[in-house]
Amino acid sequence: TQLLEQSPQFLSIQEGENLTVYCNSSSVFSSLQWYRQEPGEGPVLLVTVVTGGEVKKLKRLTFQFGDARKDSSLHITAAQPGDTGLYLCAGDQGGKLIFGQGTELSVKP
Amino acid sequence: DSGVTQTPKHLITATGQRVTLRCSPRSGDLSVYWYQQSLDQGLQFLIQYYNGEERAKGNILERFSAQQFPDLHSELNLSSLELGDSALYFCASSSYPGTSVDNEQFFGPGTRLTVL
Repeated sequence: TQLLEQSPQFLSIQEGENLTVYCNSSSVFSSLQWYRQEPGEGPVLLVTVVTGGEVKKLKRLTFQFGDARKDSSLHITAAQPGDTGLYLCAGDQGGKLIFGQGTELSVKP
Repeated sequence: DSGVTQTPKHLITATGQRVTLRCSPRSGDLSVYWYQQSLDQGLQFLIQYYNGEERAKGNILERFSAQQFPDLHSELNLSSLELGDSALYFCASSSYPGTSVDNEQFFGPGTRLTVL
């Protein structure tokens, strides 16, 4: 059973466009992390959100945790080719991280 | 660089064989996690050790086992290997639940296992 659904699975956009990635679940998480992974490398932690309704910004990336702590979104403003990669959300359930299937983002110059 | 090291980087072996993957956590982290990543299953949690003791188990096959040593490095043993075991295996470490309130995990570069 996939507890975390990410959408879209694939996204191909032009440089300068905005995009949003969604991470949805019917389960409540004590925290939720977003990671970015490049081919052949390990996931790199971008941010952790803990409080329902929390919004965190990391340069052009904005992360939001849903009020009920069941869902999250990642918004990228003015995407750049360097943003290309696999974006993974992961929810913490009792110390276990449950990962979504990922969103493969390609930003073309 | 996350501070988590994994060896070897690549491993090619035959069906039925046994291999050992090694992981050294970030300095100060007591928790080590093992994950398997394949194209069709995504990133799947296998097992967690905290300060030498098994703390949580995920979808780990009986043919797989792990341990964490007193110096906190961990090994994942995969035996009776099958073609379907070919995947990327990642180790991650965190200071949770010790000194961290959030389960932020830092991943190593992974071991790519190919079973022929």
